[in-house]
Parts: sequence; structure tokens; C-alpha cells
Amino acid sequence: AQSVTQLGSHVSVSEGALVLLRCNYSSSVPPYLFWYVQYPNQGLQLLLKYTTGATLVKGINGFEAEFKKSETSFHLTKPSAHMSDAAEYFCAVSQGITGGGNKLTFGTGTQLKVEL
Amino acid sequence: DGGITQSPKYLFRKEGQNVTLSCEQNLNHDAMYWYRQDPGQGLRLIYYSQIVNDFQKGDIAEGYSVSREKKESFPLTVTSAQKNPTAFYLCASSIKVREQFFGPGTRLTVL
Repeated sequence: AQSVTQLGSHVSVSEGALVLLRCNYSSSVPPYLFWYVQYPNQGLQLLLKYTTGATLVKGINGFEAEFKKSETSFHLTKPSAHMSDAAEYFCAVSQGITGGGNKLTFGTGTQLKVEL
Repeated sequence: DGGITQSPKYLFRKEGQNVTLSCEQNLNHDAMYWYRQDPGQGLRLIYYSQIVNDFQKGDIAEGYSVSREKKESFPLTVTSAQKNPTAFYLCASSIKVREQFFGPGTRLTVL
């Protein structure tokens, strides 16, 4: 069975500071990994994804994440936080389904607060 | 513009009522999914469908039902058997094993 652990349900940073949101996963097969962002009362928007190839993945809004197989981690970073980054962030691991599609297992989310 | 629409945005249910949440996509995706979101628990999979006229239970299917009569549509019915239905419901779709795209959600409240 797959699982995702996001360390820290709430993270607070100052505007302009480094953002680091942690994600560790377990998977019995090579994983597909995703980071999504959710603003209040909205759906989830894909930030970035890792499938195969380059382990450093760049996404939208200046975010990036590095897949580290030896550490089973996929931490999300952004060099300089902006007020508009305040939202909830979800890490997810994918398991392919026979016949097409995939099942995502989500972490419990990290609420990012950005302070002046 | 292609995307996923969910309606209504807010829904109120009385005890003992069944209610149906709509999900439509024009992305030509084969697979569709329903999730339930509760504070502090992330998203949990209710049902998913890989092709028309076929669907599978997810992790928390009890008290819910779905249909997939058209590729574009995947409605979710919350039945009276679901004892704690107040939550935010999200619909998603995908092509094969690629990323899932999400709709804007429906917030269901039991009165």
C-alpha cells in the first residue's frame, strides 16, 4: 500500500524567505509524485509532477521539488515566498490502475502562511 | 476552454434525503474520480471510473453511489445511508496514469 507523510500541518514563513514543505512517501513500485495547491473553497491545482527522468522538477509560480529515491522524499521548495503563496499544499503519490487511470494517495496537507 | 465543472457550489441536505452532485468534463478524459475532503484529513477516494458504464469503489464508498452513462459525466449521489456527509466534494479526471485535473468542488452541509 502507498502512503504519503507531510511533516508539519502548518508552516509559517516571512515574505521573501525560503519555502520548504516536506513530503515523504512509501511505494512498492517506482512512484509518480505530485504537488497540488488549494486556495480556500477551490479545487486543487497541479503545481508540478515527477514521473521519470530528471529528479529536479520545476513547476508553476517558481516552485520546484526534488525526487530523492534514497530518502523516499519529494520536498517542495521556493526560494522567495510571496503573499499570494498562502494556501494549502498537498503531496500525492500515484499508483497505476489496470485498464487505465491512476489512484492518488494524498498527504494530509500543509497550510502555508506568509507573513509580512 | 476545457475543464471540469461541478454543480452546485453549495448544497444543503436534510436528514434522510438523497442528493446528487454533478460533475462534467470536456477534456475527453477516460478516467474520472470523486474525492471527499475533510479538514486535516486530506482527500479520500470515494469512487472512480475508467470507462463508460464501469466504475469501482474507492476507500470510502459506503453511503455513496455513482453512474457513468456518458464519458463527460460522472454524478455522485450521497444517500441517506451516509451518516456524516458534511464535507467538501471534489471531482477529478485524468488520461491514463497522468496527473488528475480537479473541478472547483461542491460543499455539502447537512441541516
